[in-house]
Amino acid sequence: GEDVEQSLFLSVREGDSSVINCTYTDSSSTYLYWYKQEPGAGLQLLTYIFSNMDMKQDQRLTVLLNKKDKHLSLRIADTQTGDSAIYFCAEKQNSGYSTLTFGKGTMLLVSP
Amino acid sequence: SQTIHQWPATLVQPVGSPLSLECTVEGTSNPNLYWYRQAAGRGLQLLFYSVGIGQISSEVPQNLSASRPQDRQFILSSKKLLLSDSGFYLCAWSAPGQGALTYEQYFGPGTRLTVT
Repeated sequence: GEDVEQSLFLSVREGDSSVINCTYTDSSSTYLYWYKQEPGAGLQLLTYIFSNMDMKQDQRLTVLLNKKDKHLSLRIADTQTGDSAIYFCAEKQNSGYSTLTFGKGTMLLVSP
Repeated sequence: SQTIHQWPATLVQPVGSPLSLECTVEGTSNPNLYWYRQAAGRGLQLLFYSVGIGQISSEVPQNLSASRPQDRQFILSSKKLLLSDSGFYLCAWSAPGQGALTYEQYFGPGTRLTVT
């Protein structure tokens, strides 16, 4: 089956690290993505990881993939108030279609 | 560089009225195109996707339809809107074909539809 699960809400203080978690069910997933949505706007691709990787780092963002447990996480270091947004996890199955399956999103609230 | 446009940005329509939302992409050829609906600020529901002109796949049966009259134009329509059609409609594109490097999707700014 195709299902992507995320916790709905995370609150952190400015300067702390944020960790947003995601689980997926399709072991054939090839690519996994993190998107950010600011209020009233479309989704912005933050980063992605290929399924044969364990970790990917891009500036303040670190993506960890545990393929055995089908668990993906996004760590944001030194979280800023501008990081407040909804973060979506998405997976691409190993099929002939180009569609992605998105989680319901985690709302990150950063307080000063 | 590629850009994606959606209009209108906001729309208020009465129940039973028709709907036409437009999405256009610039800077790429033969993109895969997608329509999503996001209700109550959460969760993306894939409505339609298209891999080429005139080729539309429907993911969820409803009173909406989609058309792709030109390579980089994707239109979402309804003949009679329902209250439950209210939401935030997002168009997205991805690189064409199945040989894309990473399949990521790029989203437009969205249309906020309120059905009254």
